[in-house]
Amino acid sequence: DAKTTQPPSMDCAEGRAANLPCNHSTISGNEYVYWYRQIHSQGPQYIIHGLKNNETNEMASLIITEDRKSSTLILPHATLRDTAVYYCIVRVRGSNYKLTFGKGTLLTVNP
Amino acid sequence: GAVVSQHPSRVICKSGTSVKIECRSLDFQATTMFWYRQFPKQSLMLMATSNEGSKATYEQGVEKDKFLINHASLTLSTLTVTSAHPEDSSFYICSAREVGTSTEAFFGQGTRLTVV
Repeated sequence: DAKTTQPPSMDCAEGRAANLPCNHSTISGNEYVYWYRQIHSQGPQYIIHGLKNNETNEMASLIITEDRKSSTLILPHATLRDTAVYYCIVRVRGSNYKLTFGKGTLLTVNP
Repeated sequence: GAVVSQHPSRVICKSGTSVKIECRSLDFQATTMFWYRQFPKQSLMLMATSNEGSKATYEQGVEKDKFLINHASLTLSTLTVTSAHPEDSSFYICSAREVGTSTEAFFGQGTRLTVV
């Protein structure tokens, strides 16, 4: 699986959009970009995934650059409950479901 | 989404004893379950892949005789930490994938193990 690079931490004001970047410059053509988050002392939660098109669901939007070497997870209206470590993971979908977690980005939403 | 439940959520045990952690898929069947370990301020590390009806596959460096995994049914996998030591104290998390679908794996809430 391709390696990803994320900033270690970010801050966001409550109610504002949180934009979390991820670099995956070695991504291959059949690898998807996945985002999970882990709230303190809980198991990870799936957020969203995409291949090359932008994706949106009830939790977030995923913007993938045209060259697919980076992506941005957008939480449109961050709340205090969105404070968590966000993991960007790149892997081939369906090959297996084990996930390799990096260090992620600690997003702190401030009141 | 599908629900994966772990039990217990917290456990404290004495050195030298064994502890069993259960991972259940509550509303779906899971052919494959995964066990992760997370030390404080670190990321999740995959320990093993548990396949229903067959032996688990362990990641490099994980002692299979110390971390016994049993996946006897499509809804239950167990991890037993044998002869636990304080260095085994960690947050153990399982995940499960639903049979016959392309949905992603869902995670349990984790088990905090403290060995004293």
